[in-house]
Amino acid sequence: DSGVTQTPKHLITATGQRVTLRCSPRSGDLSVYWYQQSLDQGLQFLIHYYNGEERAKGNILERFSAQQFPDLHSELNLSSLELGDSALYFCASSPQGPDTQYFGPGTRLTVL
Amino acid sequence: GEDVEQSLFLSVREGDSSVINCTYTDSSSTYLYWYKQEPGAGLQLLTYIFSNMDMKQDQRLTVLLNKKDKHLSLRIADTQTGDSAIYFCAERGLTGGGNKLTFGTGTQLKVEL
Repeated sequence: DSGVTQTPKHLITATGQRVTLRCSPRSGDLSVYWYQQSLDQGLQFLIHYYNGEERAKGNILERFSAQQFPDLHSELNLSSLELGDSALYFCASSPQGPDTQYFGPGTRLTVL
Repeated sequence: GEDVEQSLFLSVREGDSSVINCTYTDSSSTYLYWYKQEPGAGLQLLTYIFSNMDMKQDQRLTVLLNKKDKHLSLRIADTQTGDSAIYFCAERGLTGGGNKLTFGTGTQLKVEL
């Protein structure tokens, strides 16, 4: 158990819908990262937040957005969902010095 | 851009050593990591190595880094059936703020009796 929690574990929805994935980092970790794992793209970095501020963006679609709240939990919002958005979405957290990232169990999103 | 490559499959017999290889292109890589993913589970950090090191040993795991050739390997001694999983190599470079990890495609390790 890495100490990073993600909810929900599974999510099934329809095309065109909007969903919110939630992540709670390890106690004391200020950084939260979001990654997408799909069969065709592999593991891709989406976005990084540090203490509430966006620090880096990767291959994140404009239909996706994220935020980190004052209590340091983070949410990833996915809108106008397409079939190709079906994937595992991982959240990771790291301490102040970003030597290591600890991953949560992931949220499996299925878009029908 | 950054690219990390791994072979897709490796099959070994229980008790043998496994060696999983990885190559990367980002010369600014500062840290390199090995993660393990079991079926239906998240990514478990196994070990990592700083780019100014050649080798790191942690119990059954040995990481070798050849920075000149941009080659990283993970050796698992006395491989057990519980080691069957997908192993991801990842690098953290200075590109894009220096905090994102770039992952390889993963190597599926199958341990046979």
